[in-house]
Order: sequence, then C-alpha cells, then structure tokens
Amino acid sequence: DAGVTQSPTHLIKTRGQHVTLRCSPISGHKSVSWYQQVLGQGPQFIFQYYEKEERGRGNFPDRFSARQFPNYSSELNVNALLLGDSALYLCASSLGVGLLAETQYFGPGTRLLVL
Amino acid sequence: AQSVTQPDIHITVSEGASLELRCNYSYGATPYLFWYVQSPGQGLQLLLKYFSGDTLVQGIKGFEAEFKRSQSSFNLRKPSVHWSDAAEYFCAVGGFGLRALNFGKGTSLLVTP
Repeated sequence: DAGVTQSPTHLIKTRGQHVTLRCSPISGHKSVSWYQQVLGQGPQFIFQYYEKEERGRGNFPDRFSARQFPNYSSELNVNALLLGDSALYLCASSLGVGLLAETQYFGPGTRLLVL
Repeated sequence: AQSVTQPDIHITVSEGASLELRCNYSYGATPYLFWYVQSPGQGLQLLLKYFSGDTLVQGIKGFEAEFKRSQSSFNLRKPSVHWSDAAEYFCAVGGFGLRALNFGKGTSLLVTP
C-alpha cells in the first residue's frame, strides 16, 4: 500500500511569495496533520484536519492556512514567505477515529527554501 | 501542556554495542508515547508506540522501549546496533483527544565501525 505522499519534494521561493504544498494520506485515513521541521529541531505542529474540518492549530501566524478535500488530501498554504519559513514541511495521516487515530504516519516531506 | 526532553543531542556507539536513547516527558494525563526515526533528508518512520498495557514495547528493526511512569520516561533501547541505525531519533508525546504530537529536539546517532 502507498504511504503518505507529498509534493513537491523540493521548492525554492523568494521572500514575499506564496507557496502551496500538497499531501495525500494513506488510503482509508481521514485525518491529515501538518508539521514544520526547522533544521536541527523536532517537528512543530501546524494544523490538523479531519473530515474537512480543522481540528487543531499550532502556534503559527495567519500566513499559514490549510484545507482538506473530500478525498482527504490536503493543501498547506503559506503567504508572504519569510526567510524563517525555510524548513521541511511534513504531512502525517491517521485514521482519525478511535485509539488508532492517535498514531500518525509521516510522508517524506517537502523541503522549502526561501531566499 | 505536554513537553518532551531528549537530554542527549548526539550519541556515538560502536557497531554491535548496545544503545539506549533517553526520553523524558511532561503530560498531566495518561500519555501516548512514540519513537520515530529520521534518516538524512527523509520523513519520519514510526519505530514503536505505547498507549497502555505492558510497559515494555517492541518495535521494528529490533528496537524496544520501556515506559516508566514514576520517572516520566520512555527510553529507547537496542541490544546490538547496526551501521544502518545511524539516524536522528525523535521521541513524541500525545494524548487522548489531543490534536498534535509534541516532539523532542531529537538525538543524532552515529555508529562507528
């Protein structure tokens, strides 16, 4: 079975631009979470979506937004990019229901470089 | 609020030696605990998880971890390390109904011949 997939794998943008990152969860998983991992740090939670509804939001500015589609795939959007947004963006999926919902499976990430 | 501390930033072990990576957590209720491994430039792979029950948890690649509530710890162990185990290891804590996993800063493992 395919795992979590993310696109693109790498991206280079300049300050002030906008970026959209995409994620497809494991088949059957209804919840998608987004994390930002800055070099040398652990992942930091950005958003979680379940059944197209936002269930949780981390401590990130309003420049960050996301949505989930009927097929459970998700997009993360970042506006007005700053140098500090350079990071590996990880998508994780989970079943979204019951105890097993607490186990998140991660994709390979999108590495964003802001110049 | 929940938090995770991984006291060791870097650890070096010889191939074939045993390994223990430390993880301490802070969480007011029953924690859900996870260990993930990340190879350079890659995403996170789940090694093992603890929700409840037996406090010694077996995972993939020969890893195991022990939950000790009294010490708020969830240390990862492997009896004999292989060169392919060199990677970054992250401990994470979640909880029932929580939306996010809270990760430690990671421990970088170097394996020497």
